[in-house]
Amino acid sequence: RKEVEQDPGPFNVPEGATVAFNCTYSNSASQSFFWYRQDCRKEPKLLMSVYSSGNEDGRFTAQLNRASQYISLLIRDSKLSDSATYLCAVNKEVTNAGKSTFGDGTTLTVKP
Amino acid sequence: NAGVTQTPKFQVLKTGQSMTLQCAQDMNHEYMSWYRQDPGMGLRLIHYSVGAGITDQGEVPNGYNVSRSTTEDFPLRLLSAAPSQTSVYFCASRVGGSSGNTIYFGEGSWLTVV
Repeated sequence: RKEVEQDPGPFNVPEGATVAFNCTYSNSASQSFFWYRQDCRKEPKLLMSVYSSGNEDGRFTAQLNRASQYISLLIRDSKLSDSATYLCAVNKEVTNAGKSTFGDGTTLTVKP
Repeated sequence: NAGVTQTPKFQVLKTGQSMTLQCAQDMNHEYMSWYRQDPGMGLRLIHYSVGAGITDQGEVPNGYNVSRSTTEDFPLRLLSAAPSQTSVYFCASRVGGSSGNTIYFGEGSWLTVV
């Protein structure tokens, strides 16, 4: 079993839809959690950190459920520009020291 | 505004050849890492460094060496290239300590081993 697992998708949604991705992790000692966005043939870019209390950034909401060991990303009012692969990352350290374990990514395509 | 710079961007190697992927950052970051990403997969950590003179192995270190003689540079050496090392390689850096969580990735190096 992989340490970090994501539904690979692809998720194909119309503009304006709400879409949610889940990511499960197996190491209960994991301390910090992140979502990255990766465009085709580009480097990953940090989208959001994920906290137990949940956090929101515009149309994006991230949640952490430590008891069930999963994190989620909710995108509301999807835009064409949201089309990308979304990677979750899990660290054993409290801070993001760059030693992350990544999921394989979930591909989102937003269609007109 | 260079950030993290990787060279070369594309490389084709023959099995058994050696080469070095270069990574340089101009942000005075203490932490640097090398990841590889195979098609349809996430990133896997090869080696990382928390400062000049300090390196450690990640999840998939076999076949790779690193050194960190300066804060700016973190080269990745392939000792004897194998087709299984065909991948996209990303170098990353971030400021040390607990100051922020943003990791900056380079644009990637596409390596094909034939």
